[in-house]
Amino acid sequence: KNQVEQSPQSLIILEGKNCTLQCNYTVSPFSNLRWYKQDTGRGPVSLTIMTFSENTKSNGRYTATLDADTKQSSLHITASQLSDSASYICVVSAGDDKIIFGKGTRLHILP
Amino acid sequence: NAGVTQTPKFQVLKTGQSMTLQCAQDMNHEYMSWYRQDPGMGLRLIHYSVGAGITDQGEVPNGYNVSRSTTEDFPLRLLSAAPSQTSVYFCASRRRQESSYEQYFGPGTRLTVT
Repeated sequence: KNQVEQSPQSLIILEGKNCTLQCNYTVSPFSNLRWYKQDTGRGPVSLTIMTFSENTKSNGRYTATLDADTKQSSLHITASQLSDSASYICVVSAGDDKIIFGKGTRLHILP
Repeated sequence: NAGVTQTPKFQVLKTGQSMTLQCAQDMNHEYMSWYRQDPGMGLRLIHYSVGAGITDQGEVPNGYNVSRSTTEDFPLRLLSAAPSQTSVYFCASRRRQESSYEQYFGPGTRLTVT
């Protein structure tokens, strides 16, 4: 069964600190993996997309990694800001364009 | 571009009432979809459309109808609302069905059924 598991469920860090969010998936055949940011009361917004051959992709202070062999991805946030408080959703697409959403990690940045 | 717009932003219904959630996009995208988001669960696909006049069921279609008479609009109809349909509903669009295209989400409609 195609599944996307994210950890931790929630995370609290101080402003300025770094953090890493994890995503494990069992989607086959794999097509691509996206990380979305969802602010409270808003729709998700795509941060990065990675295909099978890509190991790392950055978008400002966000860096996503992908290990297609172990079916793991991570999202690293550097020098966190208050505006990073949001839910981060890992989304994996299968070869038939079916999209599987993770439940998300809720990140709280404290001043 | 306004992107993907949804109305209303909030709605309260009584059990058995019907209503239509509106969704529109101005990016000339072929593919549009409706999701629901519930606490502790990932977004789940309700219905989708690959172009005007074509719709299909997603993962959780029961209790919902859709139509796609134009490229721009993709309304979601609740025929007889039930408390289990209390959720946040997101409309999304992307250029084509292929998942490599970026998907754009609307701001959501928070629906409560009492």
